[in-house]
Amino acid sequence: DQQVKQNSPSLSVQEGRISILNCDYTNSMFDYFLWYKKYPAEGPTFLISISSIKDKNEDGRFTVFLNKSAKHLSLHIVPSQPGDSAVYFCAAPRPGISNFGNEKLTFGTGTRLTIIP
Amino acid sequence: DAGITQSPRHKVTETGTPVTLRCHQTENHRYMYWYRQDPGHGLRLIHYSYGVKDTDKGEVSDGYSVSRSKTEDFLLTLESATSSQTSVYFCAIDPGRGGELFFGEGSRLTVL
Repeated sequence: DQQVKQNSPSLSVQEGRISILNCDYTNSMFDYFLWYKKYPAEGPTFLISISSIKDKNEDGRFTVFLNKSAKHLSLHIVPSQPGDSAVYFCAAPRPGISNFGNEKLTFGTGTRLTIIP
Repeated sequence: DAGITQSPRHKVTETGTPVTLRCHQTENHRYMYWYRQDPGHGLRLIHYSYGVKDTDKGEVSDGYSVSRSKTEDFLLTLESATSSQTSVYFCAIDPGRGGELFFGEGSRLTVL
């Protein structure tokens, strides 16, 4: 049962344009979401997060949008740069997130983003 | 640098042999995790630990065991490796920042 889904395995975008990566979830109890970025031969690194009390969170070129009624979130990167080429994972921790740890993340399958110069 | 290292980084072994992967942290965090990454599956949780000698299963724990005798070390053991366990294994530490985990660089395991 894939509770977090990324239906696009790959995406190619021209440098300078907007990249939009999508993620759907099935568990309505999820109340927090994160995006991770992964380069080849490296571990994933945290990129941006959003709480279910918000519908948008922005950090520089990266914006995450959350549509709770559709159980859908998206990551927008604008403008896209060659260094953004990586695999992006969306993830959700167990419901009832805290700041005490034990956030066993459920990951999506990932989307490989390629930025074309 | 999050202070987490994995060893070995690469290993090739044969079916039926035991394998142990080590994760070492210098951050003194209570929670540690082992994930595997496979094409089409993303990252899946194998086992996790919430303290010394305290461990529990994740979603894909069959064929794996773990041990944590010291806060800084979390070991993942494949008692008898199978080809289906060919994967990239990632260890992560949890600093309690709402799901913002720090991952090691990964251990690529090939079981022939």
